[in-house]
Amino acid sequence: KQEVTQIPAALSVPEGENLVLNCSFTDSAIYNLQWFRQDPGKGLTSLLLIQSSQREQTSGRLNASLDKSSGRSTLYIAASQPGDSATYLCAVRQDNFNKFYFGSGTKLNVKP
Amino acid sequence: ETGVTQTPRHLVMGMTNKKSLKCEQHLGHNAMYWYKQSAKKPLELMFVYNFKEQTENNSVPSRFSPECPNSSHLFLHLHTLQPEDSALYLCASSQASAGSSYNEQFFGPGTRLTVL
Repeated sequence: KQEVTQIPAALSVPEGENLVLNCSFTDSAIYNLQWFRQDPGKGLTSLLLIQSSQREQTSGRLNASLDKSSGRSTLYIAASQPGDSATYLCAVRQDNFNKFYFGSGTKLNVKP
Repeated sequence: ETGVTQTPRHLVMGMTNKKSLKCEQHLGHNAMYWYKQSAKKPLELMFVYNFKEQTENNSVPSRFSPECPNSSHLFLHLHTLQPEDSALYLCASSQASAGSSYNEQFFGPGTRLTVL
C-alpha cells in the first residue's frame, strides 16, 4: 500500500524567508501528485498538480518539483508571508480508479 | 454557487440519530469522493464514485452509507454513529477519464461532525 510522508510536521519561519516542504512516497507508480493548503477547520485548496511525466510546476511564489523514481516531491515557497500560514498537504494518485493517498501535512507558521 | 459545496457545515448528533451529509459540485466533473479527517491523522479516503458507480469502499463501517444519484450530487447517510466518528468530513470531485494523469481534485469546505 502506498505511504506518503511529509517532513517536517511543523515549521515556523520569519516573514520573507524562502522555504522547502518535503513529500515522499513509497510506490513510484503514480499518475500525479497534488499539493494543497488547508486553513484551520476549512477544506483543501489546490495549489499545484504535477503530472507523472512532468518535473515541476510553478504558480506565483510556489514551485513544486517531482522526482518520481526516487519517490520525492518538494514545494518551494519564495519570500514567505504571514498569509502563507496554513497546513500544506501532498497527495498522490495511485491508479486508474482515482485512488488518492495523502500525507499528514506540514503545519507552517510564518511570523511577521 | 461555484466549485464544491457541502451542507450542513456543522452537525451535532446523538448515537441513535440518522442524518445525511450532502455534497454538490458545479464543475462538470464525473468523479466524487468522501474523505474523513480526524485530528492528527492523515486524510482517509472513504468512498469513490466514478460516473455514479462506486469504485472504492475503503473498508468503511456500514453505519456510513454513501449515495450518488447523479454526477453532481453525493450523499453520506449516517446512522448509529460512535463518538470516534466525530471528524471533519470532506467531499471532493475531479474528472474521471480513464488513463488520464490529470484528474485535479477540488474540495468542498467540509462538514464538522460531532457525535455525542
